[in-house]
Amino acid sequence: EPEVTQTPSHQVTQMGQEVILRCVPISNHLYFYWYRQILGQKVEFLVSFYNNEISEKSEIFDDQFSVERPDGSNFTLKIRSTKLEDSAMYFCASSEHPPSGRAGETQYFGPGTRLLVL
Amino acid sequence: AQKVTQAQTEISVVEKEDVTLDCVYETRDTTYYLFWYKQPPSGELVFLIRRNSFDEQNEISGRYSWNFQKSTSSFNFTITASQVVDSAVYFCALSDHRLNNFNKFYFGSGTKLNVKP
Repeated sequence: EPEVTQTPSHQVTQMGQEVILRCVPISNHLYFYWYRQILGQKVEFLVSFYNNEISEKSEIFDDQFSVERPDGSNFTLKIRSTKLEDSAMYFCASSEHPPSGRAGETQYFGPGTRLLVL
Repeated sequence: AQKVTQAQTEISVVEKEDVTLDCVYETRDTTYYLFWYKQPPSGELVFLIRRNSFDEQNEISGRYSWNFQKSTSSFNFTITASQVVDSAVYFCALSDHRLNNFNKFYFGSGTKLNVKP
């Protein structure tokens, strides 16, 4: 069964360093998302991406964050200068291109990258 | 504004007991989707079910069942004859209807289920 994959599974970095989290969405999916989950808290939306551009972003997704689809398979989240409060589990998700007029297509999540900023 | 509330932070049951996880949502949309995801200790989010706002039929899948009631804005999840492997955090999520189809999820805070042998 196709699945979303994410690398690395864990990353430890120093405050102020740049990190890139990588995701490979399910191959026929066209909608991509990043969410984060601070330890013990709810999963929060960061950004959605379609057709090589951001379609929506949350207030969390400030100028320190960026996303990119550098090739036909990868989808990356970059944090330019990490802060302590960026420590969290980051989930990538993807969904199929829904038929016209329909929303709410199921999002399939990757296993997450646990980021620890020291 | 969209909001999902899971009032039960943590529930502990003994194996073979039935358990119901509550989910209450708020939305102004008439078209929306509701989801349940399971997060085992390994951390991944596993899709369990999707229900759209026009389909109030309850669903049963093995030991899992879901009760969707629009009148009370609830989408509760029942596990019958719980097993230790059911121990996880369960998240309820709401997806709003967007004309451009870019639907973000609003998650509840999760309910941690502990099933003891």
